[in-house]
This record gives sequence, structure tokens and C-alpha cells, in this order.
Amino acid sequence: GAGVSQSPSNKVTEKGKDVELRCDPISGHTALYWYRQSLGQGLEFLIYFQGNSAPDKSGLPSDRFSAERTGGSVSTLTIQRTQQEDSAVYLCASMPTQAGVYEQYFGPGTRLTVT
Amino acid sequence: AQSVTQLGSHVSVSEGALVLLRCNYSSSVPPYLFWYVQYPNQGLQLLLKYTSAATLVKGINGFEAEFKKSETSFHLTKPSAHMSDAAEYFCAVSARSGGSYIPTFGRGTSLIVHP
Repeated sequence: GAGVSQSPSNKVTEKGKDVELRCDPISGHTALYWYRQSLGQGLEFLIYFQGNSAPDKSGLPSDRFSAERTGGSVSTLTIQRTQQEDSAVYLCASMPTQAGVYEQYFGPGTRLTVT
Repeated sequence: AQSVTQLGSHVSVSEGALVLLRCNYSSSVPPYLFWYVQYPNQGLQLLLKYTSAATLVKGINGFEAEFKKSETSFHLTKPSAHMSDAAEYFCAVSARSGGSYIPTFGRGTSLIVHP
């Protein structure tokens, strides 16, 4: 079946511009995560959505970052007034909540370059 | 609280040699443990997982890992490396806390396979 998809695959933007990154999770997966992966670093947790619960935003690095998830499916990560240090690969993952299944399914990522 | 330490940012082996990638974790509750692999320009893919059943876990592509509670380790091994194993490997730990489920990832180990 279809996996997690992300768009765009690459995004080049000028410093100070806003960007929106999109994630389409696997159908029926109730949990959705955003991570940031910088060169030589691990995965930095950004935000977690679980069903209709309030999202866990504890990983967002600043108030320039926000995310929403509409209808329990598609999610958009927005970065306002981008800075060069925002350059990274942004990964989205989804996960079902059925018993015994705890692994995440990752999308291919969006590579963001801020010039 | 939970954390993961992957020893060695790079591991180099010859084709046909044993692969050993080290992962140590800390968790205040019984953990779930995972190994993911990331090929260039792709998202992460699950290799194997430990969820409190058998301590020796077999995964895809001939990899396996052993959960050792006394050593708080979950090292990944493969008896014979193949060129196609060259990739980035991530260890992750998670535990359900207050209804939330946010895995913590290590910084990753790059596996280099020489012919």
C-alpha cells in the first residue's frame, strides 16, 4: 500500500521567507510526528499528534515553527521568517495505535535550504 | 526520561566481515527498542524491534539484535556484511508516558563497507 509521502522533496528559500512542508501519513494511522535531521545529527523531535488530542509541541525550537493536522490526516509544518540554521531535512512519520505495533513509518523527507 | 547512545559515528568493515553497531539506552520504565536504517535520500526504515518478548530479535536483511537489560544495551549485528548494507543506522528507545509515545533516537552510525 501507499507509504508516507512528503512534499516538496526539496525546497530552496530565501532567509526571512515563510515555508510550508506537507506530510500525508498512511491512511488510518492516528499518530503523526515531525522530526528535523541536520547533517551529522540524529533526529530532533519537533511535534507529535495523536488522534484528537492536543499535540505535543515540546520539541519546537522557536515560535517561528508551527504545525497543524487537518481531519486527523494531512499535516503541514510551517516555518515563518526562515533562518539559515533552519536548513535541514524535515522528516514526517506516522504510526498506527493498534496493540503490538509501535514502530514508526517514515516519509522520504523534505530537504530545506535557506539561502 | 529516556536516552540513547550510539558508540561510533562511523563503523568501517570489509565485505563478508561481522557487523557490530553498538547502542546503549536509559529508560525509567521498561523500554521498547528499535533499529532503523536510512539509505541516502530516503526516510528511515525499520530493521527490527524489541517489545518485551524474546530478547534476541531477528530483523530484515540478516540483521539481529540482543536486548541485555543488565548492560542496558541493544547492539545490532550481522554475521557477514554486504556492500548493500552501507547506510546510516539509528537506534531508538521509547516508552509510553502519560498516554504519549515519543521515541528518542541516537545520533546514528554510518556503516561503511569496503570491497
